[in-house]
Amino acid sequence: AQKITQTQPGMFVQEKEAVTLDCTYDTSDPSYGLFWYKQPSSGEMIFLIYQGSYDQQNATEGRYSLNFQKARKSANLVISASQLGDSAMYFCAMREGTGGTSYGKLTFGQGTILTVHP
Amino acid sequence: DTAVSQTPKYLVTQMGNDKSIKCEQNLGHDTMYWYKQDSKKFLKIMFSYNNKELIINETVPNRFSPKSPDKAHLNLHINSLELGDSAVYFCASSQDVSQPRNGYTFGSGTRLTVV
Repeated sequence: AQKITQTQPGMFVQEKEAVTLDCTYDTSDPSYGLFWYKQPSSGEMIFLIYQGSYDQQNATEGRYSLNFQKARKSANLVISASQLGDSAMYFCAMREGTGGTSYGKLTFGQGTILTVHP
Repeated sequence: DTAVSQTPKYLVTQMGNDKSIKCEQNLGHDTMYWYKQDSKKFLKIMFSYNNKELIINETVPNRFSPKSPDKAHLNLHINSLELGDSAVYFCASSQDVSQPRNGYTFGSGTRLTVV
């Protein structure tokens, strides 16, 4: 079974509008972390935002916020006031637990390509 | 200063050759990783090392051998390269995973093309 699912292969948004990129996850571990990364066409992986499973509040970093709905096992990324430079592939990822043979392992979703139109 | 640096950035080689990709991090992180991104952009972990000790070894052909001479370096050696090994290989590092808020830092990737 997929541990991280991103159901939107591609999304389009108008510049200055907000956009939500969906991510659902599957784990039985009570301790986990959720990450979003941006991969522009140049190929590097840029860390955007992190949400821990025990965090009481949704994470925010500048124009990025994470809509964390634990019961629904979803961790959607919201980008406010989209900019042309936001056009990229976006990956949701999960780290389960903090030890053992999966120490530090990040499991990625399939990615969503975001295109921002002027 | 680049935090996680990989060399080379591009690697084109013939089937059957042996090649290495080097990775160095200057962040003082304890854990380093190799990830493979395939042609469909899917990212999958291959290996992780914590303080030079192999922690994760996913289902990877034994033609792939990681080597960590010290905690700042994690190299990837690939023997008898096959067409299916063509991919982008990312090195990454992280500090104590119980404090992950700074995320995992990735290198810029090595695009390997086997012809």
